[in-house]
Amino acid sequence: EDKVVQSPLSLVVHEGDTVTLNCSYEVTNFRSLLWYKQEKKAPTFLFMLTSSGIEKKSGRLSSILDKKELFSILNITATQTGDSAVYLCAVERNTGNQFYFGTGTSLTVIP
Amino acid sequence: NAGVTQTPKFQVLKTGQSMTLQCAQDMNHNSMYWYRQDPGMGLRLIYYSASEGTTDKGEVPNGYNVSRLNKREFSLRLESAAPSQTSVYFCAAEDAGARNTEAFFGQGTRLTVV
Repeated sequence: EDKVVQSPLSLVVHEGDTVTLNCSYEVTNFRSLLWYKQEKKAPTFLFMLTSSGIEKKSGRLSSILDKKELFSILNITATQTGDSAVYLCAVERNTGNQFYFGTGTSLTVIP
Repeated sequence: NAGVTQTPKFQVLKTGQSMTLQCAQDMNHNSMYWYRQDPGMGLRLIYYSASEGTTDKGEVPNGYNVSRLNKREFSLRLESAAPSQTSVYFCAAEDAGARNTEAFFGQGTRLTVV
């Protein structure tokens, strides 16, 4: 059965801390892994990863994929209160046009 | 550029009532999806449509029907709402034919069934 597992489920940190969010997956016909940030409403896209070992970076956020060990991490450095959100990991298959989502990691950054 | 638009944003139904959630995208994407999001459960796929005229069941299709009216629109219908269908519903669209694309989400519909 295809599945995507995120850890931790929730995290509380202080501003300025660095956090690492984890996503492991077991999905047949892997196409890509995506990270989304969800605040009050719709998920907003952060990264798409298709190749192992290539880091994607956007400001204080970065992510990398390991297709051998079947996981990805999302790093956030120098966290700010605006980073408080649920971070979702999703894996897309090559067949069936389906995205499989993890349950998300709820991040709270306190001043 | 509106992207993916869902209506309504909020709805309260009585058990047994029916309603249709509307979704429209202006990105000319082939694939569209309906998800529900419940606390601790992540996003679960209800139905998806790989292209106009085709629909397929996802992970949790029971109690729902869908209609891909044309390339732009993908509606989700609850024929007889149940309290277990209280959830936040998201529609998404993707250009599945492109090599590397992400799903674009609507703003969600918060449905309460009492």
